[in-house]
Amino acid sequence: EPEVTQTPSHQVTQMGQEVILRCVPISNHLYFYWYRQILGQKVEFLVSFYNNEISEKSEIFDDQFSVERPDGSNFTLKIRSTKLEDSAMYFCASSDFGYSEGLTEAFFGQGTRLTVV
Amino acid sequence: GNSVTQMEGPVTLSEEAFLTINCTYTATGYPSLFWYVQYPGEGLQLLLKATKADDKGSNKGFEATYRKETTSFHLEKGSVQVSDSAVYFCALSDLSFGNEKLTFGTGTRLTIIP
Repeated sequence: EPEVTQTPSHQVTQMGQEVILRCVPISNHLYFYWYRQILGQKVEFLVSFYNNEISEKSEIFDDQFSVERPDGSNFTLKIRSTKLEDSAMYFCASSDFGYSEGLTEAFFGQGTRLTVV
Repeated sequence: GNSVTQMEGPVTLSEEAFLTINCTYTATGYPSLFWYVQYPGEGLQLLLKATKADDKGSNKGFEATYRKETTSFHLEKGSVQVSDSAVYFCALSDLSFGNEKLTFGTGTRLTIIP
């Protein structure tokens, strides 16, 4: 069964450092997303990406964040200068789009736990 | 804006007990509704979904019915097992305004004891 894969599973970084979280979405999917879940809190939407551009972003997704699809398979989230409050589980997701059915459900990766120290 | 309100946890039940986790929503359009499950140490997995009013989603013995009149999508299971212990998230996706993102509830941690 196709799945979304994320690497690394856990990343520890020092405050102020740049991190890149990587995702390989399901190959025929067209929409890509990043969500995050701060420990004990709800899953929050960060950004959606379609047709090589951001289609929507939340207020969390400020200038410190960027996304990129550098080739036909990877989808990355970059945090330029990490803060302690960026510590969270980051989930990548992808979904298909069918004109007759609307979007199918989003398939999530296993997540990357980012710890900023 | 869209929002999902979910039953506060944690919930602890004995094996074979009946489970209900309440979920209500607010949406300006015609949302699709989902239940996602997060097992310990794992990511989010879709459990079930419903795309229009009166649809019933079901999977692994879990059911939820899309009730437009009460804006609810309560999760139920007739007889829970220890393996059902996980965090359950209710979510909606409102495509009527071209908005495909998911809005999640806070999650309900379910623990089943033998």
